[in-house]
Amino acid sequence: GEDVEQSLFLSVREGDSSVINCTYTDSSSTYLYWYKQEPGAGLQLLTYIFSNMDMKQDQRLTVLLNKKDKHLSLRIADTQTGDSAIYFCADPPGGGYQKVTFGIGTKLQVIP
Amino acid sequence: NAGVTQTPKFRILKIGQSMTLQCTQDMNHNYMYWYRQDPGMGLKLIYYSVGAGITDKGEVPNGYNVSRSTTEDFPLRLELAAPSQTSVYFCASSYTAGASGGELFFGEGSRLTVL
Repeated sequence: GEDVEQSLFLSVREGDSSVINCTYTDSSSTYLYWYKQEPGAGLQLLTYIFSNMDMKQDQRLTVLLNKKDKHLSLRIADTQTGDSAIYFCADPPGGGYQKVTFGIGTKLQVIP
Repeated sequence: NAGVTQTPKFRILKIGQSMTLQCTQDMNHNYMYWYRQDPGMGLKLIYYSVGAGITDKGEVPNGYNVSRSTTEDFPLRLELAAPSQTSVYFCASSYTAGASGGELFFGEGSRLTVL
């Protein structure tokens, strides 16, 4: 699988914006994804972006994609305590999810 | 909707014991996967299947076996449990391979401890 790198930890105050960053190495995928893992649960799809797009907005979520730098970011506006979780980016290359590597993930802590 | 169901949720094994983690999905997905998640190590793919009767190794297959006799079920077997297999195991499924826009659906996880 390809390499995915994310920062390990992010702490923000409730109401502030959070920005979670991801760098990847494989540029053959058509879609890039953000998954969220709440404590004691499996991962759930949060949002995704088509590789031809630079930005996608979905309510409080904004995904930015810089293909030249192979950089993906997730911005959460008005961060809530319910956003506390681990966030994973995923970049399934042309071979699909069987080739993807999930990184360690970024743990987001929201302080009330 | 049940989605992806894993059993058991928790299990303690002694070294050398065998067990099977069960996984079933009711979404008629072709693709199924087994991951393990260790603290600070992220998710590692153990085995995957692209359809009934077809399985293949992932990144960390040693010590595990799988089978896929039906579309719905994808059990993971540990033959001789070792402490290094202490982990949280996740089963997942998807309709497509993911490169074309497919979502991975995860089970709630099975926490396994080998003592």
